[in-house]
Amino acid sequence: GNSVTQMEGPVTLSEEAFLTINCTYTATGYPSLFWYVQYPGEGLQLLLKATKADDKGSNKGFEATYRKETTSFHLEKGSVQVSDSAVYFCALTLYTGNQFYFGTGTSLTVIP
Amino acid sequence: NAGVTQTPKFQVLKTGQSMTLQCAQDMNHEYMSWYRQDPGMGLRLIHYSVGAGITDQGEVPNGYNVSRSTTEDFPLRLLSAAPSQTSVYFCASNPSGRVYEQYFGPGTRLTVT
Repeated sequence: GNSVTQMEGPVTLSEEAFLTINCTYTATGYPSLFWYVQYPGEGLQLLLKATKADDKGSNKGFEATYRKETTSFHLEKGSVQVSDSAVYFCALTLYTGNQFYFGTGTSLTVIP
Repeated sequence: NAGVTQTPKFQVLKTGQSMTLQCAQDMNHEYMSWYRQDPGMGLRLIHYSVGAGITDQGEVPNGYNVSRSTTEDFPLRLLSAAPSQTSVYFCASNPSGRVYEQYFGPGTRLTVT
C-alpha cells in the first residue's frame, strides 16, 4: 500500500539551530512528495514539493531531497526561527483519485 | 479572493444528531476534498469531488455524505453523529490534475458527546 512515516514529535529547538524532520514513504508507483506546514489555528499550506527522484524542493530556507534509493524525503533547515513553530506534514500522491497520503505530523517549537 | 472557507469553526453535537459542515471556494477549482485530522493519524481523505455532480469515496467515507451541486460548494453531512467522528475537518480544493496545489480551509473542530 501507500503510506508515509515521519518522526515523532514534539521537537523543541533553540533559535538558529539546525532542523531535520525525517520522512520515509511506501508507494505502489512513482509518487510525488510534499511537505505541508500548519500554523496554529490555520489550515495546511504547501511548503515544498518534489516530483521525481533526486529533485530538491526548497522554500523559505527549508529543503528536502527526493531519495528513491532510501524512499526518504527529509526536511531540513539550517537556522530555524521562532516563526517556524508549526506542525509539519510529509505527504505523497500518485495522482489517482485526488488522494494524498499524509504522515502523522511533527510539531516544532522554536524558543528564543 | 477568500480562498477556501469553512463554517462553522467549532461545533458540539450529541450522539445521533445530524449536521452539515459547509465548505466554499472562490478559485473556480474543479476538485474539492474533505479530510479529517486525528491525533497521531495525520489527515485522512473522507470524500472528494472532481466536478459538479461527481463525488467519490476516499479512505474513511463511512458515516459521511457529500454532494456537489455547484463548483463553489462542497458540504459534508453527518447523518447520525457518533463520538468516533470527533475530529478536526478540513476542506481543500485544487485545479484539475494538480492535486499538489491543494488549498486548505481553516478547519472545523467537531466534538460529539
